[in-house]
Order: sequence, then C-alpha cells, then structure tokens
Amino acid sequence: DVKVTQSSRYLVKRTGEKVFLECVQDMDHENMFWYRQDPGLGLRLIYFSYDVKMKEKGDIPEGYSVSREKKERFSLILESASTNQTSMYLCASSTRDRGMLSSYNEQFFGPGTRLTVL
Amino acid sequence: SQKIEQNSEALNIQEGKTATLTCNYTNYSPAYLQWYRQDPGRGPVFLLLIRENEKEKRKERLKVTFDTTLKQSLFHITASQPADSATYLCAARGGYNKLIFGAGTRLAVHP
Repeated sequence: DVKVTQSSRYLVKRTGEKVFLECVQDMDHENMFWYRQDPGLGLRLIYFSYDVKMKEKGDIPEGYSVSREKKERFSLILESASTNQTSMYLCASSTRDRGMLSSYNEQFFGPGTRLTVL
Repeated sequence: SQKIEQNSEALNIQEGKTATLTCNYTNYSPAYLQWYRQDPGRGPVFLLLIRENEKEKRKERLKVTFDTTLKQSLFHITASQPADSATYLCAARGGYNKLIFGAGTRLAVHP
C-alpha cells in the first residue's frame, strides 16, 4: 500500500519559533510538494521539489523554506512562525510529468499536519 | 492568471439521487483535469483523470465530463450514498509537474 506520511498530525507552536514539518514517501516518486489548505482558499502550493536537492517556489513561498536531501524525504521549515501561518499543511508526491502520455500524474497526499501558532 | 473555480456552496442531495459537481477553468486550456475526494481531517485522494481529448470517463458510479468549449468539467456520482459525503476537489495541470486545485465543493448525501 503506497504511503505518504507526515511527522505530526497536530502541532502547536509559539510565535517566532522555528518549525520543522517532515514528509516521507515510499513510492520512489521524483516530485514532492508542500501545500497549505485554508477554508475557502483551497490548496495553495508553497514549494515543490522535482529531484533531490532541487526545489521550486510555489504560489506562497514567503516565510517558508524547504529541504530535500534524500529522494523519499521533503521537509518544510517555518523560519519564524507567525499566527498567519496557522493552517493545515499537506504533503504530496507524484511521478515526474510525462506530458500527455502520462496516466500517473495523480498526487498522493499525506494525512496533513494541523499547525496552530499562538 | 490560471484559475480553477468550484461552487463554494455545499451540495445537499437525497440518497439514491445523482450528485453533479461543477469545475470551471479560466485563462488557459489544461491538458487534463483530475478529481479528488477529501474527507474531514484527511489528505485528498485521487479519483479520476480526464484528458482534453476525452469527452467522458467512467469509474463505477463516477462519471466525469470535459467540455473544452465551455471550459468546464462535470463530476457525477450516480445512486449516491451517505458514504459519498465529502469534499470533492478539481485540479488541472498547471505547468510542468504541477497542479492547480479548486477550493472544493462539499457534498452531503442525506438518508
């Protein structure tokens, strides 16, 4: 059974703390993603990585950084947590996009981390 | 900018009826659309993919259509059951390796 796991389901942190969210996938996928999900706004892409040590900014990268030292692991870092970063954080993985011929570009999601910053 | 829009209002239907959810896209022509199901407190789960050259795709009680003229995809669940209650997300190819997601429509199926 394919799996994406996230290090915590619930996390409470204080303003200004450095926060690490970890994601691990066991499908040997090239791509990994970090999203945040807020009511009415849907899933917004923070960062994604298409290979080890490679990363690309998504739509809302400000206040976040990422690390991908191994293919199966993708970490999201909040350098100095703020209250407006309270959200549900979702990690996902997928195979590399092969254009129109690809049938397997669906993204596999982890269970999410509900982060509260006080 | 590229946009995926779904009806933000919840859809309430009776068990046994067909649920129809709408996904509209603007400012581009995606090569494919995907539909996901998300239960409360969980990550989305992939359901179906439909390409721009496919008019319709079926999987058990699910049917998806893709109308490139209307820039719209419809997602149908026939003979709906209370267990189908969830939020359904539409997503479109948003560039190499990426998806753009709609905000989702919540479906509630009442016994």
